[in-house]
Amino acid sequence: GESVGLHLPTLSVQEGDNSIINCAYSNSASDYFIWYKQESGKGPQFIIDIRSNMDKRQGQRVTVLLNKTVKHLSLQIAATQPGDSAVYFCADQMFSGGYNKLIFGAGTRLAVHP
Amino acid sequence: DAGITQSPRHKVTETGTPVTLRCHQTENHRYMYWYRQDPGHGLRLIHYSYGVKDTDKGEVSDGYSVSRSKTEDFLLTLESATSSQTSVYFCAIKPENTEAFFGQGTRLTVV
Repeated sequence: GESVGLHLPTLSVQEGDNSIINCAYSNSASDYFIWYKQESGKGPQFIIDIRSNMDKRQGQRVTVLLNKTVKHLSLQIAATQPGDSAVYFCADQMFSGGYNKLIFGAGTRLAVHP
Repeated sequence: DAGITQSPRHKVTETGTPVTLRCHQTENHRYMYWYRQDPGHGLRLIHYSYGVKDTDKGEVSDGYSVSRSKTEDFLLTLESATSSQTSVYFCAIKPENTEAFFGQGTRLTVV
């Protein structure tokens, strides 16, 4: 697989624990936020999204929280499994000049230990 | 995956040579994006397109040009490849009002 993300911050958790991955964004005009998961050698895959008119959204085992006051986004993974090991990116979409731009954060590596 | 294909998947080229990467979609979506991914930097936007012949620069556009002569293809060209352009390149398509879908990536090595 591709050796990207070697210098990313890493979150190490035990299997079965809950994981929280944080992300800060800078543009107050962003109105749509997405979490992606990237496994080695693959492109990013969608996990969950949230619009700026929401504070929380839940999916299967995942929850995204949005705090617009401090421009902070978090991804919570319940009962973390070895298959959750990957690099996680937050992305924010800004509608600028009449068009959508999608900007990614630097990413966090999640390492799940048995 | 979501009707998006990148080619080639791997390429080694010499410094100073032109290189073109292709992104092809079967979904007829308006938005297409090119990103590069490097250790410690995540995905950085190079260029994006919002329609045929409509493109704009991203945050790391220097040394790259793009073209979109038809809806389904978005081409990324390195006019004169440099070692700093060694990277993994990802194309993405984005339907209206929903998330973007990514291709499998192209690993480019400039020697």
